[in-house]
Amino acid sequence: QSVLTQPPSTSGTPGQRVTISCSGSTSDFRFKTVNWYQHLPGTAPKLLIYNDNQRPSGVPDRFSGSKSDTSASLAISGLQSEDEGDYYCAAWDDSLNGYVVFGGGTKLTVL
Amino acid sequence: EGQLVESGGALVQPGRSLRLSCAAYRLKFDEYAMHWVRQVPGKGLEWVSGISWNAVATGYADSVKGRFTISRDNAKRSLHLQMDSLTVEDTALYFCAKDISSGVRAWDAFDIWGQGTMVTVST
Repeated sequence: QSVLTQPPSTSGTPGQRVTISCSGSTSDFRFKTVNWYQHLPGTAPKLLIYNDNQRPSGVPDRFSGSKSDTSASLAISGLQSEDEGDYYCAAWDDSLNGYVVFGGGTKLTVL
Repeated sequence: EGQLVESGGALVQPGRSLRLSCAAYRLKFDEYAMHWVRQVPGKGLEWVSGISWNAVATGYADSVKGRFTISRDNAKRSLHLQMDSLTVEDTALYFCAKDISSGVRAWDAFDIWGQGTMVTVST
């Protein structure tokens, strides 16, 4: 199965911009659509970014996604205390029988 | 906005079976693929299984293949996960999630999630 690698943790101060990376085990990121989820303590996960860089209705434009052939990134600008939580990238692997792979998650701390 | 509510989680002994259910409210359940995602306490999210809108296509993580079976009842707007031969490694919070696509060709993003139901496998 594919593996998506994220940094285990990152941090920032209010108002700052942070980025979270997501790298794949192969160079074929160009064939994978990447989605990003936010999981705040005690809540259900929330879709932040889909199709590499699209925001669902209701997600602030402080959140943005980008992707290259080898990795994807989530950027959060104007960091707020309520952004503190876990962030996951995910992609669909179209190999035999197809499955969804989640990255290991990145814990964001707002200092 | 739509809502998903999971049920069926429990404390169960290794080797036993358990059936999880997910009820859908205020969404067009029969148009979208559905999934189960789990989270071991203190760990990250893990996709468990997915099913297309018409139940023709299903997929499973290697860790559960052959032991878990996903199904759906569009008339009753419900999703199920039959879990057999449970092991302690299956202990997790299980989330039900709605796909943004029908799942005929591929799985996509999950835009609606439930709050989860806890499964504990222990002697």
